[in-house]
Amino acid sequence: DAGITQSPRHKVTETGTPVTLRCHQTENHRYMYWYRQDPGHGLRLIHYSYGVKDTDKGEVSDGYSVSRSKTEDFLLTLESATSSQTSVYFCAINPGQGSYEQYFGPGTRLTVT
Amino acid sequence: QKEVEQNSGPLSVPEGAIASLNCTYSDRGSQSFFWYRQYSGKSPELIMSIYSNGDKEDGRFTAQLNKASQYVSLLIRDSQPSDSATYLCAVGGSQGNLIFGKGTKLSVKP
Repeated sequence: DAGITQSPRHKVTETGTPVTLRCHQTENHRYMYWYRQDPGHGLRLIHYSYGVKDTDKGEVSDGYSVSRSKTEDFLLTLESATSSQTSVYFCAINPGQGSYEQYFGPGTRLTVT
Repeated sequence: QKEVEQNSGPLSVPEGAIASLNCTYSDRGSQSFFWYRQYSGKSPELIMSIYSNGDKEDGRFTAQLNKASQYVSLLIRDSQPSDSATYLCAVGGSQGNLIFGKGTKLSVKP
């Protein structure tokens, strides 16, 4: 599982509340990614990080922010959750060395009611 | 907008047969290609990566790449019921990310 954990694994929250999802890795990889997976859309990139405090936006970043204050942790925050953000969220790492290969965490299933 | 297209399936094959999964991509400059397997309720698992034209074999899996036709395929020989899953094709993007197809659901019947 590439030493990646995500927390929480399941969460139900109400519209308008802030939510933070955590991705933790044990291998000190530089590159980390947040994707969401929805039926009919596949996996889509939300934000990514290429080092501590170095982050950038992906394809579907509106309504999301990220932070990376330590190499091992990459946090995804939904500033004010909406029903359209109900999804499964996956964190991924790239081990580097010139490879594009990515390895995924177990995912967080988020329901916004 | 870079796109990766896959037939959504379901693709049904009998046990022991060859399953053939196909993928096309829009960006002619793409250099890296991947196949992931995803069981229901689980995370994607990398099973093959390919970077050069031709075939790459790993056990029962063969990935095939044709950059001129912008086409990637995955062959699964001697298909087993445990191969039943959704297979995701992915292409390396400009941000170091992966661009995914929507996946093909494979069902292997005993």
